[in-house]
Amino acid sequence: EAQVTQNPRYLITVTGKKLTVTCSQNMNHEYMSWYRQDPGLGLRQIYYSMNVEVTDKGDVPEGYKVSRKEKRNFPLILESPSPNQTSLYFCASSPTENQPQHFGDGTRLSIL
Amino acid sequence: AQKITQTQPGMFVQEKEAVTLDCTYDTSDPSYGLFWYKQPSSGEMIFLIYQGSYDQQNATEGRYSLNFQKARKSANLVISASQLGDSAMYFCAMRDEGNEKLTFGTGTRLTIIP
Repeated sequence: EAQVTQNPRYLITVTGKKLTVTCSQNMNHEYMSWYRQDPGLGLRQIYYSMNVEVTDKGDVPEGYKVSRKEKRNFPLILESPSPNQTSLYFCASSPTENQPQHFGDGTRLSIL
Repeated sequence: AQKITQTQPGMFVQEKEAVTLDCTYDTSDPSYGLFWYKQPSSGEMIFLIYQGSYDQQNATEGRYSLNFQKARKSANLVISASQLGDSAMYFCAMRDEGNEKLTFGTGTRLTIIP
């Protein structure tokens, strides 16, 4: 089954404790992206990747890192999480940047 | 400047009626793409419909159609014969040429009333 898989689905953690949210897609898509969703703000793009080893900042990259060492994986790293990063996070992929994106089921992060 | 504007935070519509969800956008690029996504209460994001700026006809997908008015920079989603399962958040998004980023609007929460 074609899918984008995010883990974990839910996480409660404390300020400053490094965490990684994994994202994996099995559709051989070149384009991958991370978004955060906050009430009243819609989805905002954090980082995106056009292909392996190619990543770029979205609209809200501060406090986040990503890597794209393999085509299928695009982890989101919070080196020192803070409460303002409490949010619902989505990973998405598409064959190219011009095509509709397939979304993962989301990861709800709570930073205390 | 905000590139995508959805002016309706919430809408209530009687079942079986048609619904129009508004979306206006701002870009100086002649080549761009517009997307609509649905987010039910379960949280997943579901792609509904796509319109390219050079497409000659308005996009349609089953009960979904896109009322694309290029000169007015609007791309309204029309849902015909609404169903209870259409209750969800709906997001409009845009990507313009030369920009790999996808920008979303703030969404419209649609509630279908039996």
